[in-house]
Amino acid sequence: AQSVSQHNHHVILSEAASLELGCNYSYGGTVNLFWYVQYPGQHLQLLLKYFSGDPLVKGIKGFEAEFIKSKFSFNLRKPSVQWSDTAEYFCAVNAASSASKIIFGSGTRLSIRP
Amino acid sequence: KAGVTQTPRYLIKTRGQQVTLSCSPISGHRSVSWYQQTPGQGLQFLFEYFSETQRNKGNFPGRFSGRQFSNSRSEMNVSTLELGDSALYLCASSLAGLAGVVNEQFFGPGTRLTVL
Repeated sequence: AQSVSQHNHHVILSEAASLELGCNYSYGGTVNLFWYVQYPGQHLQLLLKYFSGDPLVKGIKGFEAEFIKSKFSFNLRKPSVQWSDTAEYFCAVNAASSASKIIFGSGTRLSIRP
Repeated sequence: KAGVTQTPRYLIKTRGQQVTLSCSPISGHRSVSWYQQTPGQGLQFLFEYFSETQRNKGNFPGRFSGRQFSNSRSEMNVSTLELGDSALYLCASSLAGLAGVVNEQFFGPGTRLTVL
């Protein structure tokens, strides 16, 4: 069965600090990977996705993520965070063989000190 | 284009009752997925419907059920409510068609269910 682990439950950073949120998944086959963000009081929205090709994917608002197949990881990065990045971030995985079943991690709450 | 809408936005029920939640997907989207979101658990997949058929199912008891109508609108039902069913229930729609083709999921605002 697929599973997703997000190791950091709550991360607190100052503005302009660099960010890296960890995500590991367990599934041996071909996967599609996602990062979603939920800003306070707003809907979940897609930050970025990896289906195939270049393992370094760029998303909205300056976020990027790198798929490392050998480590079963898909870490989210941003070189310089802003106060407006305060949100909850969810990593998600879909096994290519299971249509639209997407498994989410438990989320990482990011707090940015102004 | 209107987004995913969910009704009602808030519900308060008591143990043992049953509840029906509704989701209207984005126009043209035929896949609807349901998730349960609780603090510390993240989003847990309930089920996914495509063309009125349940295509995928998560690990929830049979008290949780759903259906999809010909216009792609979906409902989920929870019977014999338990305190632990208190959660935010999210619906997401996508263009996903054939199995193995994954498209971006668009989420609704959710229905906050409180079971007393």
